[in-house]
Amino acid sequence: GEDVEQSLFLSVREGDSSVINCTYTDSSSTYLYWYKQEPGAGLQLLTYIFSNMDMKQDQRLTVLLNKKDKHLSLRIADTQTGDSAIYFCAETRPGSGYSTLTFGKGTMLLVSP
Amino acid sequence: GAVVSQHPSRVICKSGTSVKIECRSLDFQATTMFWYRQFPKQSLMLMATSNEGSKATYEQGVEKDKFLINHASLTLSTLTVTSAHPEDSSFYICSAPRQHGQPQHFGDGTRLSIL
Repeated sequence: GEDVEQSLFLSVREGDSSVINCTYTDSSSTYLYWYKQEPGAGLQLLTYIFSNMDMKQDQRLTVLLNKKDKHLSLRIADTQTGDSAIYFCAETRPGSGYSTLTFGKGTMLLVSP
Repeated sequence: GAVVSQHPSRVICKSGTSVKIECRSLDFQATTMFWYRQFPKQSLMLMATSNEGSKATYEQGVEKDKFLINHASLTLSTLTVTSAHPEDSSFYICSAPRQHGQPQHFGDGTRLSIL
């Protein structure tokens, strides 16, 4: 199977919370990232978490990591229409020198007014 | 603000043309930069790792002679798509970490369309 898997689509209403899920297969993954891509643009680093952490919060964003289940989630509180984009989960592994990223296929988040 | 700049943002050219894409780190020195290719509605595929002062490292299946990479300075890497054909049309994105082991910052990408 794929190294990093994500659900492909999520639709929420403005003001609701969004939760985007990701699973990965390599237990040696060191850093796990969330990137945002708006149409026709590059990737914007949203947040990242080291593998020995369980949770990281940054303003409206909360990342939860369940290392036992190899499950990562991104929660966006009070979702706005400007949050509509594709969200990529990615990981790095020790053997890659911590720089080579392995991406999921991305989750398209659609926020309706 | 942006920390990695990519230029041009969009290129449309005829088949057989060679196209150069630039990737610059704006306020840091990048000994390593990465080049990705993204097909519509798909994830990013790593093409190669650009190393300042040495040869690039290409991923399996990526033609070195087709996608020439030059990393001549600590702030600039270039990707040249030689003799481009319609199947080379894609979205090309570069990235670089501020320091080894730190998160990568991405350029805004280059949309390449070969007619």
